[in-house]
Amino acid sequence: EDKVVQSPLSLVVHEGDTVTLNCSYEVTNFRSLLWYKQEKKAPTFLFMLTSSGIEKKSGRLSSILDKKELFSILNITATQTGDSAVYLCAATGTASKLTFGTGTRLQVTL
Amino acid sequence: SQTIHQWPATLVQPVGSPLSLECTVEGTSNPNLYWYRQAAGRGLQLLFYSVGIGQISSEVPQNLSASRPQDRQFILSSKKLLLSDSGFYLCAWRPPGGTQYFGPGTRLTVL
Repeated sequence: EDKVVQSPLSLVVHEGDTVTLNCSYEVTNFRSLLWYKQEKKAPTFLFMLTSSGIEKKSGRLSSILDKKELFSILNITATQTGDSAVYLCAATGTASKLTFGTGTRLQVTL
Repeated sequence: SQTIHQWPATLVQPVGSPLSLECTVEGTSNPNLYWYRQAAGRGLQLLFYSVGIGQISSEVPQNLSASRPQDRQFILSSKKLLLSDSGFYLCAWRPPGGTQYFGPGTRLTVL
Protein backbone atom coordinates (compact mmCIF):
# COMPACT_ATOMS: atom_id res chain seq x y z
CA GLU A 1 0.00 0.00 0.00
CA ASP A 2 1.29 3.45 -0.93
CA LYS A 3 2.34 5.58 2.02
CA VAL A 4 3.48 9.16 2.64
CA VAL A 5 4.79 10.21 6.05
CA GLN A 6 5.40 13.80 7.08
CA SER A 7 7.38 15.11 10.01
CA PRO A 8 7.18 16.85 12.31
CA LEU A 9 3.42 16.72 12.90
CA SER A 10 3.48 20.26 14.21
CA LEU A 11 5.97 23.02 14.69
CA VAL A 12 5.98 26.41 16.42
CA VAL A 13 8.65 28.91 15.41
CA HIS A 14 9.34 32.61 15.80
CA GLU A 15 9.02 35.00 12.92
CA GLY A 16 12.31 35.13 11.03
CA ASP A 17 13.27 31.53 11.75
CA THR A 18 14.03 29.01 9.01
CA VAL A 19 12.09 25.75 9.00
CA THR A 20 12.50 22.43 7.23
CA LEU A 21 9.55 20.14 6.71
CA ASN A 22 10.11 16.50 5.83
CA CYS A 23 8.23 14.07 3.63
CA SER A 24 9.10 10.43 3.01
CA TYR A 25 7.22 8.20 0.62
CA GLU A 26 6.74 4.62 -0.47
CA VAL A 27 4.77 4.65 -3.69
CA THR A 28 4.57 2.03 -6.41
CA ASN A 29 5.79 3.39 -9.76
CA PHE A 30 6.53 6.79 -8.29
CA ARG A 31 6.11 9.69 -10.72
CA SER A 32 6.09 12.97 -8.82
CA LEU A 33 5.90 14.61 -5.43
CA LEU A 34 3.74 17.62 -4.70
CA TRP A 35 3.65 20.14 -1.87
CA TYR A 36 0.55 22.11 -0.87
CA LYS A 37 -0.24 24.80 1.68
CA GLN A 38 -3.61 24.64 3.44
CA GLU A 39 -4.89 27.50 5.52
CA LYS A 40 -8.56 27.61 6.44
CA LYS A 41 -9.86 26.31 3.15
CA ALA A 42 -8.70 24.24 0.17
CA PRO A 43 -5.04 23.34 -0.32
CA THR A 44 -3.11 25.57 -2.69
CA PHE A 45 -0.36 24.19 -4.88
CA LEU A 46 3.25 25.03 -4.07
CA PHE A 47 5.61 22.72 -5.95
CA MET A 48 5.72 19.61 -8.10
CA LEU A 49 8.99 17.68 -8.14
CA THR A 50 9.87 14.93 -10.55
CA SER A 51 13.67 14.91 -10.72
CA SER A 52 16.16 14.21 -7.96
CA GLY A 53 18.49 16.93 -6.74
CA ILE A 54 16.92 19.86 -8.60
CA GLU A 55 15.75 22.54 -6.21
CA LYS A 56 12.53 24.36 -6.95
CA LYS A 57 12.23 27.83 -5.49
CA SER A 58 9.44 30.34 -5.05
CA GLY A 59 10.32 33.37 -2.97
CA ARG A 60 11.24 32.20 0.53
CA LEU A 61 10.06 28.65 -0.15
CA SER A 62 12.16 25.95 -1.74
CA SER A 63 11.91 22.21 -2.12
CA ILE A 64 14.05 19.33 -3.28
CA LEU A 65 13.49 15.65 -4.00
CA ASP A 66 15.76 12.66 -3.33
CA LYS A 67 14.46 9.71 -5.33
CA LYS A 68 17.16 7.39 -4.05
CA GLU A 69 16.31 7.93 -0.38
CA LEU A 70 12.60 8.48 -1.15
CA PHE A 71 12.11 11.79 0.55
CA SER A 72 11.57 15.47 -0.02
CA ILE A 73 12.04 18.57 2.08
CA LEU A 74 10.30 21.92 2.04
CA ASN A 75 12.31 24.85 3.36
CA ILE A 76 10.88 28.18 4.41
CA THR A 77 13.36 30.94 5.21
CA ALA A 78 12.67 34.14 7.15
CA THR A 79 9.26 32.84 8.21
CA GLN A 80 6.33 35.23 8.57
CA THR A 81 3.03 34.88 10.41
CA GLY A 82 1.36 34.43 7.03
CA ASP A 83 3.27 31.18 6.60
CA SER A 84 1.20 29.64 9.39
CA ALA A 85 -0.70 26.77 7.80
CA VAL A 86 -0.78 23.02 7.34
CA TYR A 87 1.72 21.89 4.72
CA LEU A 88 0.73 18.77 2.82
CA CYS A 89 2.96 16.47 0.84
CA ALA A 90 1.57 14.06 -1.76
CA ALA A 91 3.10 11.48 -4.06
CA THR A 92 1.76 10.17 -7.36
CA GLY A 93 2.15 6.63 -8.51
CA THR A 94 0.03 4.25 -10.51
CA ALA A 95 -3.60 4.77 -11.41
CA SER A 96 -3.47 8.58 -11.45
CA LYS A 97 -3.89 8.81 -7.68
CA LEU A 98 -2.17 11.04 -5.17
CA THR A 99 -1.34 9.67 -1.75
CA PHE A 100 -1.28 12.42 0.87
CA GLY A 101 0.56 12.64 4.14
CA THR A 102 -1.29 13.89 7.20
CA GLY A 103 0.49 17.23 7.02
CA THR A 104 2.74 19.39 9.17
CA ARG A 105 1.01 22.16 11.09
CA LEU A 106 3.28 25.20 11.19
CA GLN A 107 2.62 28.10 13.52
CA VAL A 108 4.75 31.22 13.22
CA THR A 109 4.62 33.52 16.24
CA LEU A 110 5.71 37.13 16.64
CA SER B 1 -7.27 29.29 -17.90
CA GLN B 2 -8.73 26.40 -15.98
CA THR B 3 -11.07 26.84 -13.05
CA ILE B 4 -12.85 24.41 -10.77
CA HIS B 5 -16.16 25.10 -9.10
CA GLN B 6 -17.85 23.39 -6.20
CA TRP B 7 -21.19 24.01 -4.62
CA PRO B 8 -22.59 24.53 -2.18
CA ALA B 9 -19.86 26.08 -0.03
CA THR B 10 -21.52 24.99 3.20
CA LEU B 11 -24.32 22.58 3.95
CA VAL B 12 -26.11 21.46 7.10
CA GLN B 13 -28.15 18.31 6.69
CA PRO B 14 -30.05 16.01 9.08
CA VAL B 15 -29.04 12.39 9.55
CA GLY B 16 -30.77 10.19 7.01
CA SER B 17 -31.22 12.90 4.39
CA PRO B 18 -29.81 12.61 0.85
CA LEU B 19 -26.75 14.47 -0.41
CA SER B 20 -25.63 15.80 -3.75
CA LEU B 21 -22.42 17.80 -4.15
CA GLU B 22 -21.41 19.03 -7.56
CA CYS B 23 -18.04 19.85 -9.05
CA THR B 24 -17.35 21.27 -12.50
CA VAL B 25 -14.13 22.12 -14.26
CA GLU B 26 -13.73 24.72 -17.00
CA GLY B 27 -10.99 25.31 -19.52
CA THR B 28 -9.77 21.75 -19.94
CA SER B 29 -10.92 18.47 -21.40
CA ASN B 30 -10.64 14.89 -20.19
CA PRO B 31 -9.27 15.77 -16.76
CA ASN B 32 -8.81 13.25 -13.99
CA LEU B 33 -11.30 14.15 -11.27
CA TYR B 34 -11.17 13.37 -7.55
CA TRP B 35 -13.33 13.59 -4.44
CA TYR B 36 -11.60 13.87 -1.05
CA ARG B 37 -12.91 14.20 2.47
CA GLN B 38 -11.06 15.90 5.28
CA ALA B 39 -12.44 15.33 8.77
CA ALA B 40 -11.65 17.94 11.42
CA GLY B 41 -7.93 17.84 12.23
CA ARG B 42 -7.32 14.92 9.90
CA GLY B 43 -5.59 14.35 6.60
CA LEU B 44 -7.10 14.14 3.15
CA GLN B 45 -8.89 10.89 2.43
CA LEU B 46 -9.41 10.00 -1.23
CA LEU B 47 -12.99 8.84 -1.74
CA PHE B 48 -13.36 8.48 -5.51
CA TYR B 49 -11.49 9.25 -8.67
CA SER B 50 -12.40 9.21 -12.33
CA VAL B 51 -10.25 9.12 -15.44
CA GLY B 52 -13.16 9.52 -17.86
CA ILE B 53 -16.93 9.78 -18.33
CA GLY B 54 -18.72 7.00 -16.50
CA GLN B 55 -15.45 5.64 -15.03
CA ILE B 56 -15.43 5.76 -11.26
CA SER B 57 -12.97 4.13 -8.87
CA SER B 58 -13.87 3.90 -5.21
CA GLU B 59 -11.15 3.98 -2.61
CA VAL B 60 -13.02 3.24 0.58
CA PRO B 61 -16.26 1.40 1.32
CA GLN B 62 -18.91 3.81 2.55
CA ASN B 63 -22.43 5.04 1.97
CA LEU B 64 -21.31 7.59 -0.62
CA SER B 65 -21.29 7.23 -4.39
CA ALA B 66 -19.91 9.27 -7.26
CA SER B 67 -20.89 9.80 -10.85
CA ARG B 68 -19.36 11.53 -13.85
CA PRO B 69 -22.19 12.21 -16.29
CA GLN B 70 -20.16 14.64 -18.40
CA ASP B 71 -16.47 15.10 -19.08
CA ARG B 72 -16.06 18.03 -16.70
CA GLN B 73 -18.72 17.25 -14.11
CA PHE B 74 -18.24 15.11 -11.02
CA ILE B 75 -21.02 14.48 -8.51
CA LEU B 76 -20.82 13.06 -5.00
CA SER B 77 -24.04 11.59 -3.60
CA SER B 78 -25.53 9.77 -0.69
CA LYS B 79 -29.00 8.33 -0.20
CA LYS B 80 -28.87 8.58 3.61
CA LEU B 81 -26.30 10.66 5.45
CA LEU B 82 -24.63 9.49 8.64
CA LEU B 83 -23.15 11.64 11.39
CA SER B 84 -19.72 10.37 10.37
CA ASP B 85 -20.17 11.90 6.91
CA SER B 86 -19.52 15.37 8.33
CA GLY B 87 -16.36 16.96 7.00
CA PHE B 88 -14.79 19.14 4.39
CA TYR B 89 -15.32 17.73 0.90
CA LEU B 90 -12.85 18.70 -1.76
CA CYS B 91 -13.05 18.12 -5.47
CA ALA B 92 -9.82 18.20 -7.45
CA TRP B 93 -8.79 17.94 -11.06
CA ARG B 94 -5.58 16.97 -12.72
CA PRO B 95 -4.44 16.76 -16.33
CA PRO B 96 -2.77 13.37 -16.98
CA GLY B 97 0.76 13.54 -15.57
CA GLY B 98 0.27 17.06 -14.28
CA THR B 99 -0.34 18.96 -11.08
CA GLN B 100 -3.53 18.45 -9.09
CA TYR B 101 -5.64 21.50 -8.23
CA PHE B 102 -8.38 21.70 -5.65
CA GLY B 103 -11.77 23.33 -5.73
CA PRO B 104 -12.90 25.62 -2.91
CA GLY B 105 -14.54 22.80 -0.96
CA THR B 106 -17.89 22.12 0.70
CA ARG B 107 -18.15 22.07 4.47
CA LEU B 108 -20.83 19.49 5.37
CA THR B 109 -22.29 19.21 8.84
CA VAL B 110 -24.63 16.31 9.53
CA LEU B 111 -26.78 16.78 12.62
